[in-house]
Amino acid sequence: AQKITQTQPGMFVQEKEAVTLDCTYDTSDQSYGLFWYKQPSSGEMIFLIYQGSYDEQNATEGRYSLNFQKARKSANLVISASQLGDSAMYFCAMRGPTTYKLSFGAGTTVTVRA
Amino acid sequence: EAQVTQNPRYLITVTGKKLTVTCSQNMNHEYMSWYRQDPGLGLRQIYYSMNVEVTDKGDVPEGYKVSRKEKRNFPLILESPSPNQTSLYFCASWGGYDQPQHFGDGTRLSIL
Repeated sequence: AQKITQTQPGMFVQEKEAVTLDCTYDTSDQSYGLFWYKQPSSGEMIFLIYQGSYDEQNATEGRYSLNFQKARKSANLVISASQLGDSAMYFCAMRGPTTYKLSFGAGTTVTVRA
Repeated sequence: EAQVTQNPRYLITVTGKKLTVTCSQNMNHEYMSWYRQDPGLGLRQIYYSMNVEVTDKGDVPEGYKVSRKEKRNFPLILESPSPNQTSLYFCASWGGYDQPQHFGDGTRLSIL
């Protein structure tokens, strides 16, 4: 069974600072994929970044980077130079060896202060 | 524009009155799924589909039905809705293992 844990229910960050959102996962599979999604207050789910379990380099997408530590089973999201528009709920998700199942963590709410 | 379209966006109804939430995608994706989102629980998978006429249960399938008669459509059916099915529902589609899921804008259901 797959389990995703996000231990930070809510965080505050100052505009232009970096913020790290924690995500740990539990799986016995060797092949898996990790995703981060953003959900603003308007409700839609926005894909941010993907990391495959066999990828040797950490994924980056613009201001988003994924700090992937396979041995520790962690996949933390780093948002650099926070903007007011980054205020949202962020979800970590994992896909196991099968293509059709995606398991989500409970989410972390980020509030960016001016 | 590539998109997943859900309807309705909002619905308030009463216990026991059958309802259907439609989902349509225009990306020719093989895989589709339904989720419900509840506070503190993240998103939980209700049903998924790997292709036309191929569906299977997710983590919380009780009280729901789905069908996939066409590749683009994946409706969610609540035959006899109950108040514990009040939630925010998302439909998603994707093209392959390392591809992100594209989500619809969500359907907020309130069952009184």
